Amino acid sequence: EAQVTQNPRYLITVTGKKLTVTCSQNMNHEYMSWYRQDPGLGLRQIYYSMNVEVTDKGDVPEGYKVSRKEKRNFPLILESPSPNQTSLYFCASSSGGTGRTEAFFGQGTRLTVV
Amino acid sequence: AQKVTQAQTEISVVEKEDVTLDCVYETRDTTYYLFWYKQPPSGELVFLIRRNSFDEQNEISGRYSWNFQKSTSSFNFTITASQVVDSAVYFCALSEAGTGNQFYFGTGTSLTVIP
Repeated sequence: EAQVTQNPRYLITVTGKKLTVTCSQNMNHEYMSWYRQDPGLGLRQIYYSMNVEVTDKGDVPEGYKVSRKEKRNFPLILESPSPNQTSLYFCASSSGGTGRTEAFFGQGTRLTVV
Repeated sequence: AQKVTQAQTEISVVEKEDVTLDCVYETRDTTYYLFWYKQPPSGELVFLIRRNSFDEQNEISGRYSWNFQKSTSSFNFTITASQVVDSAVYFCALSEAGTGNQFYFGTGTSLTVIP
């Protein structure tokens, strides 16, 4: 089954404690992205990656890091989380070029930073 | 500038009414893709439709229909005979061929269908 898998689904952490949210896709997609969803703001892109070792900032990259060492994985790293990073996070993957597909989304990770 | 505008923040309708969700986009690319997603209360994002800029045909899928008009840069979504299960947040999104497959989402329209 084609899917994007995020873990964990829920996470409560304290300010400053480094955390990683994992994302894996099994569709061999070139493109992967991270979004955060906040009330009234829709989904805002944090980082995206066009292929292995190729990443770029989205609209709200401050406070986040990503890496793309393998095509299937695209972890999101919060080195020093702060309360304003409390949000619902989505990972997505898609294929590009002329055969661009829709973005396939993970189930979401609800992060609370206290 | 916002690339995708969903001006309707919240809509409430009574069951069986028709409802149209508006989406206006902005792009200079001649090749682009438009999408609608549904986010039910459970939180996942469900893909509904993909449309490319060269295909202006309207589409109907059951009670759902989409009206794509390049002249007004709009991609509106109509639900006919709404049902309680249609209650969700609906997002419109744009992806441009020239910007590395980034997706730009609107702020969403929260639809409540009252039984």
